Amino acid sequence: DTEVTQTPKHLVMGMTNKKSLKCEQHMGHRAMYWYKQKAKKPPELMFVYSYEKLSINESVPSRFSPECPNSSLLNLHLHALQPEDSALYLCASSPDAGQPSYEQYFGPGTRLTVT
Amino acid sequence: GENVEQHPSTLSVQEGDSAVIKCTYSDSASNYFPWYKQELGKRPQLIIDIRSNVGEKKDQRIAVTLNKTAKHFSLHITETQPEDSAVYFCAASGNTDKLIFGTGTRLQVFP
Repeated sequence: DTEVTQTPKHLVMGMTNKKSLKCEQHMGHRAMYWYKQKAKKPPELMFVYSYEKLSINESVPSRFSPECPNSSLLNLHLHALQPEDSALYLCASSPDAGQPSYEQYFGPGTRLTVT
Repeated sequence: GENVEQHPSTLSVQEGDSAVIKCTYSDSASNYFPWYKQELGKRPQLIIDIRSNVGEKKDQRIAVTLNKTAKHFSLHITETQPEDSAVYFCAASGNTDKLIFGTGTRLQVFP
């Protein structure tokens, strides 16, 4: 399996809802990432997990809560989001973290709409 | 921190022509430079990458060149085809696990 998978593909949620995005890889990669991408913009890093531990949090609001249950899974828990949080949420993985830098492979993303 | 500039923002070429996209970076410690292709509604797809110990890398119709002294790197696509139409992002990475992306280039290849 050489892919990163994400569920759901689309999600519509109200500002009071709680939902979760899921990401899975079976490539034995030890680093996993969450990115947010707005239309016509590059991906913007949110979180990095290295060996199942949170290593980078790019000052993301607490209404986004990441979780790495094991080396293959990455979740993003969402609560009390704002309409401006509507975006494509991308998960990525790489063989390792740190130096030298490793290639990152992206999942197909979850298109999130907050109403 | 690292800053990556990318030009042009849009590029239109005739099928069969070559396309060149250029990026500059600010952090001399950056040592890894990938290029991603993103078709509309799809994931960013890694198409080629280069590390700082190499000046050029080719893979069929695509090539990347790196000039460490000038801190710029370029993507070259030869014999362009309509299916090359997409948004292309350059990125740079150095002493952290962070990929810093350029702003993207929308390439349109007209038949």
